[in-house]
Amino acid sequence: NAGVIQTPRHKVTGKGQEATLWCEPISGHSAVFWYRQTIVQGLEFLTYFRNQAPIDDSGMPKERFSAQMPNQSHSTLKIQSTQPQDSAVYLCASSIGLGEDTQYFGPGTRLLVL
Amino acid sequence: QQQVRQSPQSLTVWEGETAILNCSYENSAFDYFPWYQQFPGEGPALLIAIRSVSDKKEDGRFTIFFNKREKKLSLHITDSQPGDSATYFCAANQGGSAKLIFGEGTKLTVSS
Repeated sequence: NAGVIQTPRHKVTGKGQEATLWCEPISGHSAVFWYRQTIVQGLEFLTYFRNQAPIDDSGMPKERFSAQMPNQSHSTLKIQSTQPQDSAVYLCASSIGLGEDTQYFGPGTRLLVL
Repeated sequence: QQQVRQSPQSLTVWEGETAILNCSYENSAFDYFPWYQQFPGEGPALLIAIRSVSDKKEDGRFTIFFNKREKKLSLHITDSQPGDSATYFCAANQGGSAKLIFGEGTKLTVSS
């Protein structure tokens, strides 16, 4: 079991460019989560999917951020017109189900916006 | 508004000592509290968790003490080892919602 896979591990973009982050959840897991980690804000929930359907996107910035899960084997987080304040580690997690089921985190994608 | 708070921000203990990490929360609807351990360059990994119906959860050298009335919990790491040096996050979850609300983290350093 390879765990949650996130690609790329590091990404550098220029201000105004688009960034797409990829996540492959653990096989058989029905829930996929996205979190963002920064020194200032800590670990913040962004959004999650259950059986590929978006369930809660209450943590997503209203503009420029979008997430999709086109199939059970991958999810993407897209940031349009990136800004320096978007620089963070973006973490993907998956779990078998919801509630108290353990969320298994990937290693994260470190995004740097210059 | 920080719903889950942790203290201290950083903690240094000697090898063999007991490290005590504190956590408090505001939302009385929270009923599940996992603690995650994170090493540099890695994602957080579940260490131990407790439900609000319990007041203590033990797993080897790691013990959570939970006080529902005061909305406080603590993680005790006995016989601390250098390999325990990491950042520890207290998180909370409300039944019916899958998202985790994390505290700011405590960076633990165990010196030998």
